[in-house]
Amino acid sequence: GENVEQHPSTLSVQEGDSAVIKCTYSDSASNYFPWYKQELGKRPQLIIDIRSNVGEKKDQRIAVTLNKTAKHFSLHITETQPEDSAVYFCAPSYSSASKIIFGSGTRLSIRP
Amino acid sequence: KAGVTQTPRYLIKTRGQQVTLSCSPISGHRSVSWYQQTPGQGLQFLFEYFSETQRNKGNFPGRFSGRQFSNSRSEMNVSTLELGDSALYLCASSLEAGGVTEAFFGQGTRLTVV
Repeated sequence: GENVEQHPSTLSVQEGDSAVIKCTYSDSASNYFPWYKQELGKRPQLIIDIRSNVGEKKDQRIAVTLNKTAKHFSLHITETQPEDSAVYFCAPSYSSASKIIFGSGTRLSIRP
Repeated sequence: KAGVTQTPRYLIKTRGQQVTLSCSPISGHRSVSWYQQTPGQGLQFLFEYFSETQRNKGNFPGRFSGRQFSNSRSEMNVSTLELGDSALYLCASSLEAGGVTEAFFGQGTRLTVV
């Protein structure tokens, strides 16, 4: 929650290679860590999320890893495909009273 | 089940006018949050309503306001429109407030101020 930084802002990778996007947050009480994907002209949709009692979660080619000590979590996409081209947002939060803060987004482009 | 519905999809307004946008959440969701999305600015949080109460508000001027009805449907209003208000306005519904559960987004309302 509160201060959320996302890096890089743009990322271009060769099809088949891996992509990693990092989200850093300031509130140590954060306990929910989602990643949203927004394809061009479409609405953002959740692709994977993790809670603070878990260090890593994987779903086929995508995974999220959490480092609570360093206050960051990362999205990993392996064997990238053209349909992975999109803008990705993180949105860490900690309580139902918190503001909803999205990272600034990462535009991922997959080169054929 | 039906997704989040926003109306209208497109709007063109003149500077100085006001506008009202509507959002119908997924049945059973009590949280509705609103965002402004402009190119290069990501998703800027406007406000969130939960059970008819505003839970939080982003850093936007008082011209931006909202409300939520007893059926959880929400409206946002922008008064005295400025050119800079041109944007895609997205709403999202969730089971819980504060972004602690998955947010389901509507298709958005594209507002153009001329």
